[in-house]
Amino acid sequence: AQTVTQSQPEMSVQEAETVTLSCTYDTSESDYYLFWYKQPPSRQMILVIRQEAYKQQNATENRFSVNFQKAAKSFSLKISDSQLGDAAMYFCAYRSAYRDDKIIFGKGTRLHILP
Amino acid sequence: DADVTQTPRNRITKTGKRIMLECSQTKGHDRMYWYRQDPGLGLRLIYYSFDVKDINKGEISDGYSVSRQAQAKFSLSLESAIPNQTALYFCATSDFQGDNSPLHFGNGTRLTVT
Repeated sequence: AQTVTQSQPEMSVQEAETVTLSCTYDTSESDYYLFWYKQPPSRQMILVIRQEAYKQQNATENRFSVNFQKAAKSFSLKISDSQLGDAAMYFCAYRSAYRDDKIIFGKGTRLHILP
Repeated sequence: DADVTQTPRNRITKTGKRIMLECSQTKGHDRMYWYRQDPGLGLRLIYYSFDVKDINKGEISDGYSVSRQAQAKFSLSLESAIPNQTALYFCATSDFQGDNSPLHFGNGTRLTVT
């Protein structure tokens, strides 16, 4: 069965600095998708970035980028120029390309931004 | 207006009561999901539905039931609520077509069972 592991329950970063959140996953499937979701105190779940497993190029969305290492089954999120509004819980998620029900979430990393 | 709407936003109920959480969507998606979020456990899948006639159990379905009244409506029921069902509940939709479609979430229902 697939699993998603976020090994850092909490992290802190100084405002304007760069921080990297870790995510590893385990799967025997060859095709899948990976996502990072942000959950601010408002508790809304917001899609931050997505990555297709068949693409070698790392996804980027403004200040957010990923380091996708397929062989290592690693999918880390880098936030550059951290802002106070980035403070949130971040969830890594795995979605199978073969089954709709296989959308698996990690346990989350709470990110604190220090002013 | 939100594309995925959950009601109520918050609910406090007593042990043994029956309660229904409702979800409606205007995105036209066929796939709808109910997740439960607990601190330190992430999101866990309770039930999912691929269309009105297709409902499936997820990882933690015991103690819950669902109804897909229409393509746009998917409700979650707790037949006899218990305190360990206190959690944040999310409804989500998707238009998965074999691409990288994400889940689209409602704003959640915080349920407290006393």
